[in-house]
Amino acid sequence: DGGITQSPKYLFRKEGQNVTLSCEQNLNHDAMYWYRQDPGQGLRLIYYSQIVNDFQKGDIAEGYSVSREKKESFPLTVTSAQKNPTAFYLCASSTPGQGIDEQYFGPGTRLTVT
Amino acid sequence: GQQLNQSPQSMFIQEGEDVSMNCTSSSIFNTWLWYKQEPGEGPVLLIALYKAGELTSNGRLTAQFGITRKDSFLNISASIPSDVGIYFCAGETSGSRLTFGEGTQLTVNP
Repeated sequence: DGGITQSPKYLFRKEGQNVTLSCEQNLNHDAMYWYRQDPGQGLRLIYYSQIVNDFQKGDIAEGYSVSREKKESFPLTVTSAQKNPTAFYLCASSTPGQGIDEQYFGPGTRLTVT
Repeated sequence: GQQLNQSPQSMFIQEGEDVSMNCTSSSIFNTWLWYKQEPGEGPVLLIALYKAGELTSNGRLTAQFGITRKDSFLNISASIPSDVGIYFCAGETSGSRLTFGEGTQLTVNP
């Protein structure tokens, strides 16, 4: 089945630790995105990548880092510099540049930092 | 940055009623997308709109791309309990980035 996989579904970490969230897609999409969602709010863009080995900051990139070494994978690291890391993190992918801008989302990872 | 104003924030309706929600912006968008999100899950794409004035249906859902390109609405007809969730609009200008509204929480009473 084609789709986007995020793991794990729930993640718990102690304050001061870096943590990496996984996102894999087998849709052959060129672009991948990371969003953060807080309770009762919309989605805010953290980072995005339109092609392998390239990525751009979104609206709230501070305290996060990414890599895009493979087309299928776009891991997100939440560093200890992120002041309020507890949130629901969503990964998405799309095929921009073909007149189709539909982003498809993974199931999300809920990160709790205490 | 660009902002989308989505309304209403929440709706409580009886099963069988029709629902309407909308998004407006001061910015022009090339694409409007509508998503539904259920608790603890990722958003699922419902409808995509690419042309000003376009009216598109998906089952009981109908969405329109406003003629000014600054707004869009989503209608759900004859609501059922499984329509419960948060509905998000999203607009795209260029560079494949989406701007999301804050969502409409829909509750359907049987």
